[in-house]
Amino acid sequence: EDQVTQSPEALRLQEGESSSLNCSYTVSGLRGLFWYRQDPGKGPEFLFTLYSAGEEKEKERLKATLTKKESFLHITAPKPEDSATYLCAVQLGVLTGGGNKLTFGTGTQLKVEL
Amino acid sequence: NAGVTQTPKFQVLKTGQSMTLQCAQDMNHEYMSWYRQDPGMGLRLIHYSVGAGITDQGEVPNGYNVSRSTTEDFPLRLLSAAPSQTSVYFCASRGPNYEQYFGPGTRLTVT
Repeated sequence: EDQVTQSPEALRLQEGESSSLNCSYTVSGLRGLFWYRQDPGKGPEFLFTLYSAGEEKEKERLKATLTKKESFLHITAPKPEDSATYLCAVQLGVLTGGGNKLTFGTGTQLKVEL
Repeated sequence: NAGVTQTPKFQVLKTGQSMTLQCAQDMNHEYMSWYRQDPGMGLRLIHYSVGAGITDQGEVPNGYNVSRSTTEDFPLRLLSAAPSQTSVYFCASRGPNYEQYFGPGTRLTVT
């Protein structure tokens, strides 16, 4: 069974304290791995797509990386406004029958304090 | 562009009642989907559509119906509400690189 596991479940950081969130997956035929940000009471907001091992994407204080079994979301010098739940999801390739299915992890709840 | 819109934002139903959650997008995306989000469960796919007139079941389809008569609209119908359907429901449309754009959600309580 395809699985996506995120860790830690919750993370509390001080402003400026860099850290990483992990997303590990046990799927074959990965088409893409996606990162989303979700604020309380709102829908997930798309951040990044990663397609192949070794790929990196950056946006402001966030950098996402991908290996063959996991992805990391690195947060550099976070600010309180980075507080949110971060979700990762994997999309299987069409040839492996997963062209229309996105499997989500349960998320990491990040709190950045002053 | 409004993106993906959903109505209502909140709804309370009694067991056995039916209702329709509305979803619309203005990005001309062919693929649309409905998810439910429950604590500790992650987002789970209910139904999806790859274009007008074409729908299919996702991971948790029981108790829900969908139809897709236009590219823009993708309503979700609860046939006979049950307490187990208490959840937050998100509609999404998919862009050309498989990225999903989510609506703001409908918070449904079934008593």
